[in-house]
Amino acid sequence: KAGVTQTPRYLIKTRGQQVTLSCSPISGHRSVSWYQQTPGQGLQFLFEYFSETQRNKGNFPGRFSGRQFSNSRSEMNVSTLELGDSALYLCASSFKAVASAGELFFGEGSRLTVL
Amino acid sequence: AQKVTQAQTEISVVEKEDVTLDCVYETRDTTYYLFWYKQPPSGELVFLIRRNSFDEQNEISGRYSWNFQKSTSSFNFTITASQVVDSAVYFCALSEVSTEMDSSYKLIFGSGTRLLVRP
Repeated sequence: KAGVTQTPRYLIKTRGQQVTLSCSPISGHRSVSWYQQTPGQGLQFLFEYFSETQRNKGNFPGRFSGRQFSNSRSEMNVSTLELGDSALYLCASSFKAVASAGELFFGEGSRLTVL
Repeated sequence: AQKVTQAQTEISVVEKEDVTLDCVYETRDTTYYLFWYKQPPSGELVFLIRRNSFDEQNEISGRYSWNFQKSTSSFNFTITASQVVDSAVYFCALSEVSTEMDSSYKLIFGSGTRLLVRP
């Protein structure tokens, strides 16, 4: 069974540009969450999607957005990149749709460097 | 507010030693879940265990064991007879269920403990 796949694994952008990251969840998983990991702030929740609907959002500016497609694949977009957006962006999928806090399966992440 | 504290930033042990990673949490919820994840250098977070707030039974899985104590709001993780392959960053996390969004929850992570097991 394939795990969570994130692309690209590494990318370098310059300030002001925008970036789109992709996540393919485990087959059958309908919930996709995104987390940002930085040395200073640690792991922080960005948003969660279920059946193409954003159900929860963390405390990030509007420059961070996402969406989920009918096949459960998800993308997140960051516009007008800032140096502080340099981070490892982790995607996680889950089978459970209810608030029983099912196990999250994480991908290896997309490491974004903003110059 | 929900919070997870992992006071140990880095721990270094010699192979075969036992090591305990501490985790203290804060929550107002009566129902919640606690997790431990391992992050090897590859980056992905590997699920180790999930424990709900109503189950205080300790758990053992091979060389891993977990001690959950609601009275002290702690969920500590012990590795017995550590091995070099155990070297990684370990995260403790607490689920926070959204009261506004239907059935959604997120994980509140601690800052992680970097474990180095030397041969």
